[in-house]
Amino acid sequence: DAGVIQSPRHEVTEMGQEVTLRCKPISGHNSLFWYRQTMMRGLELLIYFNNNVPIDDSGMPEDRFSAKMPNASFSTLKIQPSEPRDSAVYFCASSLGSSRSGNTIYFGEGSWLTVV
Amino acid sequence: GIQVEQSPPDLILQEGANSTLRCNFSDSVNNLQWFHQNPWGQLINLFYIPSGTKQNGRLSATTVATERYSLLYISSSQTTDSGVYFCAVVGGAQKLVFGQGTRLTINP
Repeated sequence: DAGVIQSPRHEVTEMGQEVTLRCKPISGHNSLFWYRQTMMRGLELLIYFNNNVPIDDSGMPEDRFSAKMPNASFSTLKIQPSEPRDSAVYFCASSLGSSRSGNTIYFGEGSWLTVV
Repeated sequence: GIQVEQSPPDLILQEGANSTLRCNFSDSVNNLQWFHQNPWGQLINLFYIPSGTKQNGRLSATTVATERYSLLYISSSQTTDSGVYFCAVVGGAQKLVFGQGTRLTINP
């Protein structure tokens, strides 16, 4: 299995621009998570999908952030407009079943975003 | 929400040494996992261990759910063990909440 695939791996963009991060979960997994990692705040859950439906988006920072999962094999996290404080590593992860059920969660390699 | 505290925040050891990393959590959990983030940023799941003890090679983990803590043991440390070790738990909500991590440095 190829694992969780994220793109782009690295992106540098100017403040105000739209950023779209993409994720392909492991085939057969029905839970998908977007996390953000910064030095100050550590790893934070942004949003969690189960069977393509957003279950908990309480971690999404503000209206500039949006996430979609149009099908079981693809998800996007969009930031519009981007700001320098959005600079972070964004991880996508997937698992078979929910977090509560104790299934192992697998992380992608992350998308390193720098907003200048 | 549930709080996760890891200790120590930093640990520097010589190759061959043993180490114990601790994770305390503030409420009962039904899912606890340990992860290793290597120096390239990759997050690797080490153990799913809501209770009991598991071993995988030089690594083992024990969770005492009734006392709300988990321990990760690394024996005969190697330089490749360097990185940040995270404990993550799921409490009442369906969120996997991460601790702040323990940064482990193994010197040759």
